Order: sequence, then C-alpha cells, then structure tokens
Amino acid sequence: DADVTQTPRNRITKTGKRIMLECSQTKGHDRMYWYRQDPGLGLRLIYYSFDVKDINKGEISDGYSVSRQAQAKFSLSLESAIPNQTALYFCATSDRDIYGYTFGSGTRLTVV
Amino acid sequence: AQSVTQLDSHVSVSEGTPVLLRCNYSSSYSPSLFWYVQHPNKGLQLLLKYTSAATLVKGINGFEAEFKKSETSFHLTKPSAHMSDAAEYFCVVSGINTNAGKSTFGDGTTLTVKP
Repeated sequence: DADVTQTPRNRITKTGKRIMLECSQTKGHDRMYWYRQDPGLGLRLIYYSFDVKDINKGEISDGYSVSRQAQAKFSLSLESAIPNQTALYFCATSDRDIYGYTFGSGTRLTVV
Repeated sequence: AQSVTQLDSHVSVSEGTPVLLRCNYSSSYSPSLFWYVQHPNKGLQLLLKYTSAATLVKGINGFEAEFKKSETSFHLTKPSAHMSDAAEYFCVVSGINTNAGKSTFGDGTTLTVKP
C-alpha cells in the first residue's frame, strides 16, 4: 500500500456541486498539506495542518475547506465547484518541512 | 520571504549526455532546498535535499546538486541522461527557521531525453 493514498484518482463534476477529496497516510506524520498543480504554475498551497487541532490557510484557500478527521486523514472540500478549480490536486505529509514531503499520486479534478 | 526560480521551463538532452537543471533561490533564513521529480500521471518524488550539511548533495538515480550560497543557486545535474529521466522537475525552498507550510515550489522544468 502507498504511504499517502488519495481518493478518487479522477473525478469529473458539474459546476455548483460539492465535492470532497480524501487523503490518508501511513507515515505517522503530524503535518499534512493540500496542493494544487496547474500547468506552468508549479504547486500552490491550499491548506495545511500541523495536527488534528491545527488548520491553516495557504496561499489559495478561497473556495476550499478542509477537515482533519484524524492524524492520518485530511480531506479537501470544494463547497460549490467552479470550472477554474479544474486542476491536479496533491496531498502531502511531512515530519518537518526541512525533511521534505511524501506526496500522494494526485486527484485529477475536472469541473464542467 | 523566500522565492525560487527555475531558469528553464524546458530542457532537452540526448541520451547519454549530461543534464543540468538550474535553480536560483532567495530566502531570509538559512534555507533547506529540495529537488523533486514528477513522472507523467504520478505524484512528486523526492530526489535529494540540502539541509545545511555538505554542499554537494547526492540523490537517487545518479542525480546530484550543489548548494552555492554566494550564487544563491542549487542546480541539479546528472552525468549521463537515461530515457527514464524524462519527467518534470521541481526545485523547492523551505526556510529552516520558519513554521511548516512555508515551502515554495518553482514552476518546474520539463526534461526531454532524445534517443
């Protein structure tokens, strides 16, 4: 099994729908992150969490929300999806930033 | 404040020739620096990292990078490219004295390897 598992791998949804992307990890890391990848823009941070009681906004949090259900689980929600949220979404974990991240395989989301 | 610039959006090399992917950074703190690789339809994988120890860092698959403080650079190299090296590469800076969530990604360099 992968260290960081994201579900679903691919999703097509309609504008205005609510959608949840899920992430679970077996690394035992406290820190979890959600990133968005768009062509030519690298990865941009949406939300991050240091532990179950700690949630922080990243640089592009508008239109997104998160829930840290347990140390191992961190979900990302789009309350009302819009087409410019079409992107590749990655979950990542770390022990500390200076040690680097472990990434999931990504969720490709298309909003039509 | 911190930033990272990958100087080439695309690099093309022939198999068996050297690879050079360039990265410059700026950071208000002593930085940690990373290179990640992303193969098509895959997540990002850590290639190597610099965290204030040796300035020449060796990573997986024959890649290495040298931290040059005077030039604020952290270029990724490999002596001989393989077809399997074709992928997108990201340079990342993280402030060693900052809280988590402060890693900054470059925009990526796409490496093409020609037979």
